[in-house]
Amino acid sequence: GENVEQHPSTLSVQEGDSAVIKCTYSDSASNYFPWYKQELGKRPQLIIDIRSNVGEKKDQRIAVTLNKTAKHFSLHITETQPEDSAVYFCAAIQSGAQKLVFGQGTRLTINP
Amino acid sequence: DGGITQSPKYLFRKEGQNVTLSCEQNLNHDAMYWYRQDPGQGLRLIYYSQIVNDFQKGDIAEGYSVSREKKESFPLTVTSAQKNPTAFYLCASSSDLGTSGHNEQFFGPGTRLTVL
Repeated sequence: GENVEQHPSTLSVQEGDSAVIKCTYSDSASNYFPWYKQELGKRPQLIIDIRSNVGEKKDQRIAVTLNKTAKHFSLHITETQPEDSAVYFCAAIQSGAQKLVFGQGTRLTINP
Repeated sequence: DGGITQSPKYLFRKEGQNVTLSCEQNLNHDAMYWYRQDPGQGLRLIYYSQIVNDFQKGDIAEGYSVSREKKESFPLTVTSAQKNPTAFYLCASSSDLGTSGHNEQFFGPGTRLTVL
């Protein structure tokens, strides 16, 4: 089955700097890769996703890149702000599969 | 995500008692999921259901049970057989994969269960 590894487990950056979180997956048939943000005590919420037919997707300060050959995908947050502080989860799933496989999460802290 | 509700928000249980966590969605989603989250940990899948009257075990199903009698409802029972049930429980739902390969999951607000 699919296995998703996420790094780093914790990340601390200065406000205004960029943050990058990386995930690797094992199943080359996986074709959908969402990223979720979970604030303390709240539910995870989808912030961006990418399908295997594209290599990059952007939404304002957030971008996701996918390298199918290397089987890894990354979340990029630019011009970080205090409200970006949260736990971020990556996930992967293949078409026809029944469940997302989540990474272990990254706790991002933005220092003022 | 506003279409998924969980109740109660906080739940306290004495050891040896079974408790049932509610999850309801009005998104007309076929699939529903239950996850457990421990402090500082990721999301671990307990059970999931792709269709009414059918469900499958996830990675940590022991000590839990579910039912899916209605499309909009997927209650989770934490039984006395679950030795360490204190955790944050999240329900989620998604539409059928179809041919798009897209499976965005929407999460409920969660139930925090504490065993006294």
